[in-house]
Amino acid sequence: GENVEQHPSTLSVQEGDSAVIKCTYSDSASNYFPWYKQELGKRPQLIIDIRSNVGEKKDQRIAVTLNKTAKHFSLHITETQPEDSAVYFCAARTGDYKLSFGAGTTVTVRA
Amino acid sequence: DTAVSQTPKYLVTQMGNDKSIKCEQNLGHDTMYWYKQDSKKFLKIMFSYNNKELIINETVPNRFSPKSPDKAHLNLHINSLELGDSAVYFCASSQFLADTQYFGPGTRLTVL
Repeated sequence: GENVEQHPSTLSVQEGDSAVIKCTYSDSASNYFPWYKQELGKRPQLIIDIRSNVGEKKDQRIAVTLNKTAKHFSLHITETQPEDSAVYFCAARTGDYKLSFGAGTTVTVRA
Repeated sequence: DTAVSQTPKYLVTQMGNDKSIKCEQNLGHDTMYWYKQDSKKFLKIMFSYNNKELIINETVPNRFSPKSPDKAHLNLHINSLELGDSAVYFCASSQFLADTQYFGPGTRLTVL
């Protein structure tokens, strides 16, 4: 099955700086890569996603890049704000429609 | 106007009991899921139903039995609860199998 590794497990950044989270996946058949943000005690919420036919996608301060050859994808958050503090999960979906999640990255934005 | 809802939000029960968690979505989606999030925040798929048909059935003890009475509902029944079942259970739905998944608010299950 698909194995998704996510790094780092924790990330502390100064407000205004950028944050980068990296994920690798094992199954070359994976074709959909969403990122979810989960605030404490809340549900995971989709923040951005990318499909395998696209190399990069941007939505305001958030961007995701995908390198299919290397089987890795990354989340970039620019101009971080205190409300960006949360746990971020990457995920990869294979042809059997299962969504496999990374272990999560706890992001803390210091004011 | 909640898109994906779950009841109850919290569930505290004794070992050996049987309990159910209910999930409903009003998005008109065809596919629904159950995920388990353990104490280390790891999210793992348990089951998926598409048009009331079981599509994904991960390696889950058969004490867990999902039931989908219609496309808008997916319930999870757990028999003979064990300490290790303590977790947050999330329901999710998507328009179809290959589409974006939207999560419910979660049910925190504590087994004493």
